[in-house]
Amino acid sequence: DIQMTQSPFTLSASVGDRVTITCRASQTIYDWLAWYQQKPGEVPKLLIYKASNLQSGVPRRFSGSGFGTEFTLTISSLQPDDFATYYCQQYNEYYTFGQGTKLEIK
Amino acid sequence: EVQLVESGGGLVQPGGSLRLSCAASGFTFSDYWMHWVRQAPGEGLVWVSRISSDGTNTMYADSVKGRFTMSRDNAKNTMYLQMNSLRAEDTAVFYCVRYGIAFDYWGQGILITVSS
Repeated sequence: DIQMTQSPFTLSASVGDRVTITCRASQTIYDWLAWYQQKPGEVPKLLIYKASNLQSGVPRRFSGSGFGTEFTLTISSLQPDDFATYYCQQYNEYYTFGQGTKLEIK
Repeated sequence: EVQLVESGGGLVQPGGSLRLSCAASGFTFSDYWMHWVRQAPGEGLVWVSRISSDGTNTMYADSVKGRFTMSRDNAKNTMYLQMNSLRAEDTAVFYCVRYGIAFDYWGQGILITVSS
């Protein structure tokens, strides 16, 4: 089974900061990677698909990159609405989520 | 507007059964593979199962294989998750999810509590 490991587990940042979350796969997943945002009490929302493609309606301050086993989600300038938990997911072989990264206000 | 609405959740005793339903609207249901994803209280997202667009192909996570069965009725725009031999560790919010470009639409989720 493919394991997905996100880092950091928790990230404290301020409005306006640039932040990066990393996701590593235990074997190559090519670019079959998605990122989701989940706010407390809400449904997960697709942000990025196929590693670097922005889902319709998602602000351009979100971007994704990577191929193979290492991927990143970057938020270029944090907004108050961005404080949430972020999950990566591989969908190359079955489907596996990372454990999540909680982005907190510093 | 795409909508996915789960129903059938609730409290069940260990060893019991429940059937979840997911009613879809706003898109051509029979064109899409569908999934169930669960999230235990305070925990992360865990993929549970998926079904092909025509219902002939299903796949399950090891943790539910042999206990859960996914099906769909394209005429009714509805999919189902029959859950048997439920365990305390199955307690979670279950989400019905469409696979379009990745998991692009999610239902609001429904809580399953397995407890005596």
